[in-house]
Amino acid sequence: EAQVTQNPRYLITVTGKKLTVTCSQNMNHEYMSWYRQDPGLGLRQIYYSMNVEVTDKGDVPEGYKVSRKEKRNFPLILESPSPNQTSLYFCASSLVGPYEQYFGPGTRLTVT
Amino acid sequence: GEDVEQSLFLSVREGDSSVINCTYTDSSSTYLYWYKQEPGAGLQLLTYIFSNMDMKQDQRLTVLLNKKDKHLSLRIADTQTGDSAIYFCAEKEAGGYNKLIFGAGTRLAVHP
Repeated sequence: EAQVTQNPRYLITVTGKKLTVTCSQNMNHEYMSWYRQDPGLGLRQIYYSMNVEVTDKGDVPEGYKVSRKEKRNFPLILESPSPNQTSLYFCASSLVGPYEQYFGPGTRLTVT
Repeated sequence: GEDVEQSLFLSVREGDSSVINCTYTDSSSTYLYWYKQEPGAGLQLLTYIFSNMDMKQDQRLTVLLNKKDKHLSLRIADTQTGDSAIYFCAEKEAGGYNKLIFGAGTRLAVHP
C-alpha cells in the first residue's frame, strides 16, 4: 500500500530534550516536506527536500533540522525543543511538479 | 507574501448543499487544491483545479474558480455526516516547486 508513515504518533517531552520524528514513504517520491498545523493558522511549511541531500527552509524553520540521506526517509529533528513547538506535525511527499502531495497521519507533539 | 483565507466554521443540515469559500492573493498560482482532514488523520486530496479553468465537477463535488476576484469555492451536494471534517484550500506557489500555501481550514459540521 502506498503510504507515508510517521513515528511516533504522539509525543510528550520536556524543554531542551532532543527528539526526532521519523517520516518514511514507499512511493519513490523525490519531494518531501514537513508542515506544522496550529489552530487558526492552517499548515505552515517547516522544511522541504527536492531529492537526496537537497534540503531547504520553508516558512517556519527556526528550531528545526532535517536530513535526507535516503530517498524514502526525511526525519525532523528538534535539537532543543521549546513549548512554542507544541503542535501537530505532518510529513508529505510527492513527485516533483503539480502532483498530489500524500500526507502522513500526523505527530502530535507536546513540549512542557 | 502569498495568503489564503477561509472562514473557520460551517454548519449544514444533512442532505443540503455545503459551500466552502476561499480567497487567495497570488494571481500567478497555477493550481488550487481542496484537501480534507478527518479527525485524527492526515490530509487527503479531494480535488484540484488548474488556473485556466473556471469550473470542475467530480461526482458530488463542484469547484468554482473566479480568477478576477481570486475566489475559489467547493460545493458539496447532498452533504452527509461522513463529510464532517476540516477542509483546506491550498494554492501552489508559482515557481515554488511543490510548495503549497494553505488556508486555516474550514470545519464543516453536518447535523441531522
